[in-house]
Amino acid sequence: DVKVTQSSRYLVKRTGEKVFLECVQDMDHENMFWYRQDPGLGLRLIYFSYDVKMKEKGDIPEGYSVSREKKERFSLILESASTNQTSMYLCASSAPRVGAYEQYFGPGTRLTVT
Amino acid sequence: GQQLNQSPQSMFIQEGEDVSMNCTSSSIFNTWLWYKQDPGEGPVLLIALYKAGELTSNGRLTAQFGITRKDSFLNISASIPSDVGIYFCAGLPQGGSEKLVFGKGTKLTVNP
Repeated sequence: DVKVTQSSRYLVKRTGEKVFLECVQDMDHENMFWYRQDPGLGLRLIYFSYDVKMKEKGDIPEGYSVSREKKERFSLILESASTNQTSMYLCASSAPRVGAYEQYFGPGTRLTVT
Repeated sequence: GQQLNQSPQSMFIQEGEDVSMNCTSSSIFNTWLWYKQDPGEGPVLLIALYKAGELTSNGRLTAQFGITRKDSFLNISASIPSDVGIYFCAGLPQGGSEKLVFGKGTKLTVNP
C-alpha cells in the first residue's frame, strides 16, 4: 500500500513565524504535490515537484516555498506565516512514469496561524 | 482553464438508498479519479478510470468514464452510515499536464 505521511496533524503558529510542513512517501513516486483545502474553495495546488530538486509553481504559490532534496521527501515552507494561511494542508504523490496518474494523499496538517 | 462541475453539492439520503453523483467539464480528460474524504482526514482514492466508456466497480461503488471524455459518474448502492463524507472527482486534462483538476465535492449524509 502507498503510504504518505505528514509530520504533524495539527499545528498552531504565530504570525511572522517560519513554518515547515514535511511530507514523506514510501512508494518511490516521482511526483509530489502540496495543496491547501479551504471550505468552499476546494483543493488548490500550491507547488509540485516531478523530481529531486525540481519544482513548479501551482495555482497559489505566493507566500510559500518548497524543498525536495530527496525523492521521498517534499517540504512546504511558509517563510512568514500570516493568518490567511490558516488552512488544511495536504500532500500527495503519484507515479506518472508508469502511467499511474492517480495521486495518493497524506492525512493532512491542520495549520492555525494566530 | 479547465474546470470540473461536480453535482450535487450535497445529498441527504436514508440508509439503504442508492446514490449517484457526477462531474462534467467542457474540456476533454484522459483520466478520471474518485476520492472520498472523511472529516479531518486526507482524501482516499476509491476508483481510477483510464479509458473512455470504462465502467469500474469497487465493492458497492461503481464509476464510469464518459464516452465523450468530458464527464464521469459515481454510483453507491445500498448506502450505509459509514458512506458519510465528501466525495471528490478529479481529472487529468488532455494535453500532457500531470496536474489534476478537482471538483468541489459532494457532501453525503446518510440517515440511519
